[in-house]
Amino acid sequence: AQTVTQSQPEMSVQEAETVTLSCTYDTSENNYYLFWYKQPPSRQMILVIRQEAYKQQNATENRFSVNFQKAAKSFSLKISDSQLGDTAMYFCALWGNDMRFGAGTRLTVKP
Amino acid sequence: EPEVTQTPSHQVTQMGQEVILRCVPISNHLYFYWYRQILGQKVEFLVSFYNNEISEKSEIFDDQFSVERPDGSNFTLKIRSTKLEDSAMYFCASRGLGTEPSYEQYFGPGTRLTVT
Repeated sequence: AQTVTQSQPEMSVQEAETVTLSCTYDTSENNYYLFWYKQPPSRQMILVIRQEAYKQQNATENRFSVNFQKAAKSFSLKISDSQLGDTAMYFCALWGNDMRFGAGTRLTVKP
Repeated sequence: EPEVTQTPSHQVTQMGQEVILRCVPISNHLYFYWYRQILGQKVEFLVSFYNNEISEKSEIFDDQFSVERPDGSNFTLKIRSTKLEDSAMYFCASRGLGTEPSYEQYFGPGTRLTVT
């Protein structure tokens, strides 16, 4: 069975600061993909960043980057220069033979 | 940019009624999915669909649920006899086939289902 664990139900950060959201996972698949999705109040699911498990290099997308530790099965998201529009729920997700989501972290960016 | 669309955006129904949630995936995608998110909870996988048949389903996807691709564009989720606990946001997603980033699933905006 695949599992995804997000141990931080809520986090807050000051505008322009950096914040890291944690995610750990478990899977028996050798080939899998990891994602971070953002869900703003509109509840749309927006892909923030993805990481292919076979790639050692950490993925980056502008202000968003990940720290992928395959041996530790850890996949954290770092948001740099936080903006008010980053306020949302963030879900970590694992695609192996199906998609599993973590419970989410509610991030609030404070002015 | 192509996108997944879902209709209606909000559906209110009475307990015991049948509902059909509709999705139009991205046109060249071949894999289709339904997810459910009960308010305040995590997104849960319901079912995946490929080549006109279910490829995976979760324990949530019991006999009251069914999926169909009635034509070349729509992908539907039917709930036969709705229960109060079916109230949730239902997301459709699709993905392509082939090289990267084929594993990226594109989500629709969701349909909020309220069962009264």
